[in-house]
Amino acid sequence: DAGVIQSPRHEVTEMGQEVTLRCKPISGHDYLFWYRQTMMRGLELLIYFNNNVPIDDSGMPEDRFSAKMPNASFSTLKIQPSEPRDSAVYFCASSLQGSYGYTFGSGTRLTVV
Amino acid sequence: QKEVEQNSGPLSVPEGAIASLNCTYSDRGSQSFFWYRQYSGKSPELIMSIYSNGDKEDGRFTAQLNKASQYVSLLIRDSQPSDSATYLCAVKGDDKIIFGKGTRLHILP
Repeated sequence: DAGVIQSPRHEVTEMGQEVTLRCKPISGHDYLFWYRQTMMRGLELLIYFNNNVPIDDSGMPEDRFSAKMPNASFSTLKIQPSEPRDSAVYFCASSLQGSYGYTFGSGTRLTVV
Repeated sequence: QKEVEQNSGPLSVPEGAIASLNCTYSDRGSQSFFWYRQYSGKSPELIMSIYSNGDKEDGRFTAQLNKASQYVSLLIRDSQPSDSATYLCAVKGDDKIIFGKGTRLHILP
C-alpha cells in the first residue's frame, strides 16, 4: 500500500496567486481529512469528507479556501487568492470508518511570499 | 470549543529512563484517544490508541486513560534517542479527531 499521497511536497507562490494541493487517500478508506499545521496553532482540521461528501467545513478559514472530492481516490484543497498568512504545512489524512486513527500523507509545505 | 491540552515542553529525559507525557481534554463525550509521534519535518504517525479506562501496553509504550478526570497519558519505558520527537495527543468525539499542540520530547544520550 502506497499510503496517502500528497502533491506537491513544496510550493512557493506569490501573494494573490491560486494554489491547488492534491491528495490521494488510501484505497478503501472512506474518510478524508485536510489539516493545516503551524507552530502557533498546531494541527487544525480544515474540512473532512465521508464517502466523497463534505461533512464539516467549519475549520476552513474563509471563502478563499475551497475543497473538493470528485471521487474516492482524489481530493483537492484550493486557496484563491493566497496570502502570506496561509504559509503552513498542509496535511491530508484518510481513515476507515472514521473510528480509528488516521494515516497522514507527507504534507505540502506552502510558502506564500 | 473542544480542546486538547498538552505541555509544550521540551521534556528532557535521560536515555534509559521513563518518559511521561500527559494530556487533558474538554469534551466528556470523547470516545477514542490516540497518541501520534511526529519527527521534525515529517508527518504525524499513529503509535497508540486507547478506547477504555485503564492501561494499554504495546512494547515500550503504555497509554493510560482516565475518563472521569478527562486525562490521557503516554509512558515510554527505556527511552532511546530515537524517541526524541513531538508527541501529539488526539481525541475523537463525533467523526473528527482534535489534536493537541504536542509535547517536544528530548532524550539525553
